[in-house]
Amino acid sequence: GQQVMQIPQYQHVQEGEDFTTYCNSSTTLSNIQWYKQRPGGHPVFLIQLVKSGEVKKQKRLTFQFGEAKKNSSLHITATQTTDVGTYFCAGASGTYKYIFGTGTRLKVLA
Amino acid sequence: DAGVIQSPRHEVTEMGQEVTLRCKPISGHDYLFWYRQTMMRGLELLIYFNNNVPIDDSGMPEDRFSAKMPNASFSTLKIQPSEPRDSAVYFCASSLSRTGELFFGEGSRLTVL
Repeated sequence: GQQVMQIPQYQHVQEGEDFTTYCNSSTTLSNIQWYKQRPGGHPVFLIQLVKSGEVKKQKRLTFQFGEAKKNSSLHITATQTTDVGTYFCAGASGTYKYIFGTGTRLKVLA
Repeated sequence: DAGVIQSPRHEVTEMGQEVTLRCKPISGHDYLFWYRQTMMRGLELLIYFNNNVPIDDSGMPEDRFSAKMPNASFSTLKIQPSEPRDSAVYFCASSLSRTGELFFGEGSRLTVL
């Protein structure tokens, strides 16, 4: 079945450093979503990408969907302590069932 | 809007007992999803409904798990009998459309002793 992997699994950065997480699907995706989950919280929607090669920005966050629609990335510029949490991608294929990636846990050191 | 409401927030039970988790989706959302989150397996989709009808239950682990949606504003996930390996956080999420943003509830943390 469809699998969605994310790397790295964990990332510790110094406040102010950049951070990138990568998402790779075993199958071609119709679209991809990104979520953030704070420690002890629930996933919260960040963004959805639909088009091949699409790039979207939200303040310090940049999201990219690969040309082949099998991978995606999230880049955070100049991390802040409020960025702490686990970032998940969720890919939907033909069945439009969102399969969540394995997640990247970000820790920001002040 | 109050968001997706789940209950109970925490449940501790003994092996063999029946567990019922409840979810009230956001009004007007036609899609409802049940996810399970564990450290080992991450966020797994168990089942989802469209207009109260189960569409895909291929993620339900085994016959001990069952889910219902008797009306547009209520869904249950039942485990009978429960086992220690069922310990996890169970999330309910709802969505306006099949491909839309998922709105998650705060989750029900289940511990089976």
